[in-house]
This record gives sequence, C-alpha cells and structure tokens, in this order.
Amino acid sequence: GNSVTQMEGPVTLSEEAFLTINCTYTATGYPSLFWYVQYPGEGLQLLLKATKADDKGSNKGFEATYRKETTSFHLEKGSVQVSDSAVYFCALITNFGNEKLTFGTGTRLTIIP
Amino acid sequence: NAGVMQNPRHLVRRRGQEARLRCSPMKGHSHVYWYRQLPEEGLKFMVYLQKENIIDESGMPKERFSAEFPKEGPSILRIQQVVRGDSAAYFCASSPDSLYEQYFGPGTRLTVT
Repeated sequence: GNSVTQMEGPVTLSEEAFLTINCTYTATGYPSLFWYVQYPGEGLQLLLKATKADDKGSNKGFEATYRKETTSFHLEKGSVQVSDSAVYFCALITNFGNEKLTFGTGTRLTIIP
Repeated sequence: NAGVMQNPRHLVRRRGQEARLRCSPMKGHSHVYWYRQLPEEGLKFMVYLQKENIIDESGMPKERFSAEFPKEGPSILRIQQVVRGDSAAYFCASSPDSLYEQYFGPGTRLTVT
C-alpha cells in the first residue's frame, strides 16, 4: 500500500534560519506529491505540488523536488519567518480520477523571532 | 468565493450519542472527501462522494459510520453510538472535478466523553 513518512516534530527554528522537513514515500505506480500547510485554527492549504520525477514545486519561498531515485520530496526554505509557523503535511496521490490523498503525520514548525 | 465550510467546529458528545458533521463544499464543487485525523496521526481517507453518490468508502469503518451528499444541501458525516475512540478531527475537502486539487475545510473536532 501507499505510505508517507515525514520528519517528526516539533521543529523550532530562529527567524531567517534554513528549513528542511524530510518526506519519503512508498507508492504503487507513479504518485503525485504534495505539501499542505495548516495554520492555527484553519484548514489545510495546498502549499506546492509535483506530478512527475524531477519536477520542482515552489510557492511562497518554499521548494520541494520530486526525487524518484530516493522516493523523497523534502520541503526546504532558505529563510523562514515567524509567519511560517504552522503544521506541514506531506501527501501523495497515485491515481488521478480517484483522489485518495495519503498523508504523513505532520510536522509542527515554530519560528522564534 | 467562500471556502469549504464545516460545522460545527467543535462538537462534544457523550458515549452512545450520535454525531452529525456537516460540510458545505466550495461553490461549483461537486466532489467531496472526508478525512479523519486521530491524535498524533496523519489524516486518513474515509469516503469520497459526488452528488447523491458514494464513489469510494473504503476508509469508512464498517459500522456506525455513514456519509451522504444530497442533491441539495451539505454533505453529512454521521456517527452513531459514538465511542471514545471516535474522538478526532474530521476534515472535509472538495474539488470541482476528480482531476483537480482538493480544498480543505477547517475541520470539526469531535470529543467523546
């Protein structure tokens, strides 16, 4: 079956630090990969996505590259801000047309001024 | 365009009572998905519905849980005779088509006492 393993939290960083949140996956077929973000009291928002190997998704300074050889989709940001404090979820879909998202457990990120 | 609406945001039920969770998809969206997040776990797919049809309920517990998405009105996730293990956050997502991204609501946090 499909599964997503992501870096356990919580993660606490100082403002302007470099961020990496690791995500690896196991899937049948060729999955599409996603990062979702959940700010306090809100629903999940799609942060970025990649649909095939070597694709790079990017948004709001965040990036993640679809690495088929290492089955990974690590989230990175060069300089985090306090406003980036949230819970980040890595997820995948293996079959567009029957969109069951498979999620990781989430990583809580706190940025200290 | 309002986002996905879920209500109530918080719901407390005693063991044995019924819980009804409502989800109003975004305007123009006819596909609805329900996910459950147990404490310290990732979101898990429960059911996928289109208007008046259940497309995939492979993630739904076989007993006490049911879902509907009528022609008019919100989608309803119903849990009969709740038990403590049902305490979780329940998220709804919608999309205009099965090939599109899913947009998530803020979730309903169910607590069973």
